[in-house]
This record gives sequence, structure tokens and C-alpha cells, in this order.
Amino acid sequence: QVHLVQSGGGAVQPGGSLRLSCAASGFNFGSFAMHWVRQAPDKGLEWVAVISFDGSDTFYADSLKGRFSVYRDNSNKTLHLQIDRLRKDDTAVYYCARDEGSGSYYGSFHPWGQGTLVTVSS
Amino acid sequence: EIVLTQSPATLSSSPGETVTLFCGASQTVFNTYLAWYQQKPGLAPRLLIYDGSFRATGIPDRFSGSGSGTDFSLTISRLEPEDFAVYYCQQYGRLPVTFGQGTTVEIK
Repeated sequence: QVHLVQSGGGAVQPGGSLRLSCAASGFNFGSFAMHWVRQAPDKGLEWVAVISFDGSDTFYADSLKGRFSVYRDNSNKTLHLQIDRLRKDDTAVYYCARDEGSGSYYGSFHPWGQGTLVTVSS
Repeated sequence: EIVLTQSPATLSSSPGETVTLFCGASQTVFNTYLAWYQQKPGLAPRLLIYDGSFRATGIPDRFSGSGSGTDFSLTISRLEPEDFAVYYCQQYGRLPVTFGQGTTVEIK
């Protein structure tokens, strides 16, 4: 069964750092690009970043470049998102998701992790 | 960046009825790389439709997607109680991936 289980998150002070993780099971993790998406309280979905199947390419939402870093460990089937210099408007539920695309094209997102809440507050 | 605009923002309907949700793109969506997701409170989004009109595995046939270019729609036939939720469209043909702001389907 294809599954993504997230960990990390929690309450952090402004200016702090956090690492989110996403453990994959039930599929060949190293063959799929992976995404991070976030959702602020009572707001819509915001795409954060994507990493290619082998980790050689990463792309970020323009507004988040410089503070967010996505990386992966294919041997341990784990995806990570490092967030530095956290701001109050980073407060959100963060989701990881598998990319269903093939070849050089990206695809829809399935499945999604259960989400992890990041709260930035002093 | 491709901006997706969903309408209506909220749709009130009753079980058994048929509803249509719309998603308009600011530019042509490459290869009809457009998806629809359903999200219920406290849960992650669930993929319903990909590539404009293909149902994801396990999605009932009362969900159907159509459209091309800049205009897309999701039709839910014979609404079931579990269909009342928020629906998002998403384009993945060009980075950055973008989502619409969502349509809430609520019980009338």
C-alpha cells in the first residue's frame, strides 16, 4: 500500500528553524519526484517546492526561495523540508505528496502525507 | 505564474443533485495538465481527476472532469452526503504548480 507518513513540525519561535520529514513506503521512492504543499489556517493550498526523483533538481515557489530547502534520502525513502528564519506567516499545515508524472513532465499529486502543523509564534 | 480562478466560491446543493464547478486559467494549461482534489476538514487533499478528465483510482464515476486550454470544469452527479467538501483545481503543466482558491460545496 502506497503511504507517506510525516513527522516533525510543532511550535517554533520567529527566526527559528525546523526540519519536516516524510517517510515513504509501498512504492519505489527513488523513481518519483516529490512535492511539498502548505495550507495556512482556513486558507487554500500553496505549492512550496519539488525535488526530482534523484534529487538533482529542485524548484521553489518564488516567495519562499532562500529560506526553504528540500532534499531527499532515497536509500532511506525519506523526503525532507528544511525551513530557516521562520516567520509568523509560515504557520501552516505542511503536506508532502508524490508526483505522478513520468519522463520529463510533472504530474498530479497522489498520495499525500497526513500533514504536519507548523506554528510560528513568540 | 498561471493563476487559476475557481467559481463559484461556495455552492449550496442537496443530496441527489448535480453540480458543476469551474476553473479558469490565466494562460493555456499545457497538455491539459489539470487536476481536481477534494479536501475534507482536518484531512489531506485527495486526487479526484488528473489530466483534465481522467478519474483517479477508486474515484466513483459520478465525478467527471472536462475542459481544455483555459477553461475546465468538474461535475459531480447525484451528490452523496460524503461529497460535501472543498474542491481545488491545480495545474502542473508549468512550474510553479498553482492551485485555485477552492470551491466549497455545502449542504443546502
